[in-house]
Amino acid sequence: RKEVEQDPGPFNVPEGATVAFNCTYSNSASQSFFWYRQDCRKEPKLLMSVYSSGNEDGRFTAQLNRASQYISLLIRDSKLSDSATYLCVVSGGYNKLIFGAGTRLAVHP
Amino acid sequence: DTGVSQDPRHKITKRGQNVTFRCDPISEHNRLYWYRQTLGQGPEFLTYFQNEAQLEKSRLLSDRFSAERPKGSFSTLEIQRTEQGDSAMYLCASSPKVRISGNTIYFGEGSWLTVV
Repeated sequence: RKEVEQDPGPFNVPEGATVAFNCTYSNSASQSFFWYRQDCRKEPKLLMSVYSSGNEDGRFTAQLNRASQYISLLIRDSKLSDSATYLCVVSGGYNKLIFGAGTRLAVHP
Repeated sequence: DTGVSQDPRHKITKRGQNVTFRCDPISEHNRLYWYRQTLGQGPEFLTYFQNEAQLEKSRLLSDRFSAERPKGSFSTLEIQRTEQGDSAMYLCASSPKVRISGNTIYFGEGSWLTVV
């Protein structure tokens, strides 16, 4: 079983749609959680951290359920520029990040 | 540019040849990471250094792979006797000596390897 699992998608949605991505992780000792965005053939870039209380950054909302070892990302009012791969990431101990395989999002006009 | 730099950015090599990638981290960062990313997958951890010490290696890092960081500054990742399955993007990242966080780790643009 992979340490971080995501639905690979792709999710094809029209502009303005709301889309949700889910992720589960296997290591209950994981301390830190993140969503990264990766454009085609580019390096991954931090989108937002994920906190137990849930957090929002503009159109993006992240939630963490430690009991279920489940992380989610909600994107409201999708834009064409949101088209990318979204990577769920957890800390693997003190010193490294463990990435999921990513969920591909394609927003169309 | 004071970010993480990687060289070469693209490499095409024939099966069986050796290749070496170089990573220059952000100068004050103690930690340096190598990840590999194949098509349709997320980055997979390969190894990390704290200063010149290689503190962890993934099982993905077969005997054909070796990484060094001789003076605790730049690092090299060498792949010997390349195979087609080695075709991937090799990502380098660096961070200061704090608990790892998305806010403290910086990725390079990656080195693309194609083995033909």
